[in-house]
Amino acid sequence: DTEVTQTPKHLVMGMTNKKSLKCEQHMGHRAMYWYKQKAKKPPELMFVYSYEKLSINESVPSRFSPECPNSSLLNLHLHALQPEDSALYLCASSLPGGELFFGEGSRLTVL
Amino acid sequence: RKEVEQDPGPFNVPEGATVAFNCTYSNSASQSFFWYRQDCRKEPKLLMSVYSSGNEDGRFTAQLNRASQYISLLIRDSKLSDSATYLCVAAPSGGYQKVTFGTGTKLQVIP
Repeated sequence: DTEVTQTPKHLVMGMTNKKSLKCEQHMGHRAMYWYKQKAKKPPELMFVYSYEKLSINESVPSRFSPECPNSSLLNLHLHALQPEDSALYLCASSLPGGELFFGEGSRLTVL
Repeated sequence: RKEVEQDPGPFNVPEGATVAFNCTYSNSASQSFFWYRQDCRKEPKLLMSVYSSGNEDGRFTAQLNRASQYISLLIRDSKLSDSATYLCVAAPSGGYQKVTFGTGTKLQVIP
């Protein structure tokens, strides 16, 4: 059982839609991450929040907008996505210098 | 040259066999290392942290060679359930920083 929960598990959206992915962790970790993973590729870092502040943005297009309402919650707001943005979006949390704990992911399809 | 390199495989091995994966890293500043397993269309799950002294967990043994900058994972008595992709991860010291994933090695255990 994962201690990082993500919703929704599956999402289909059009290029003009606005949607959000949500992530919650109850491990007391002070860092949360968004990763994007395409088939047969490793996870690719998008954003890191540490102590509720954005600390790393891997030059992600502005159509992806992260938000960290508190230390347990992380959102990823999606707007005007492209079909090539279809992927598995993984949320993770960690202790400093420690291993990443991933949620089950949100599988996004952009039509 | 990729920062973390793995043989993509696939490694097709019979049940009961011993299989070893290697992973090389190029950033000498990397301090923490991990092996994750990822099943098809699922999230990565931590298999083992890797320590300089080597560590063992049941049928799994991980080793780190800092001088040669490689990490290994040995799986003994392979089970069908070991079939997955194995991801090697290198992380810088401390803090909440970007970790580097290898491209993964696919293992298929055959009855």
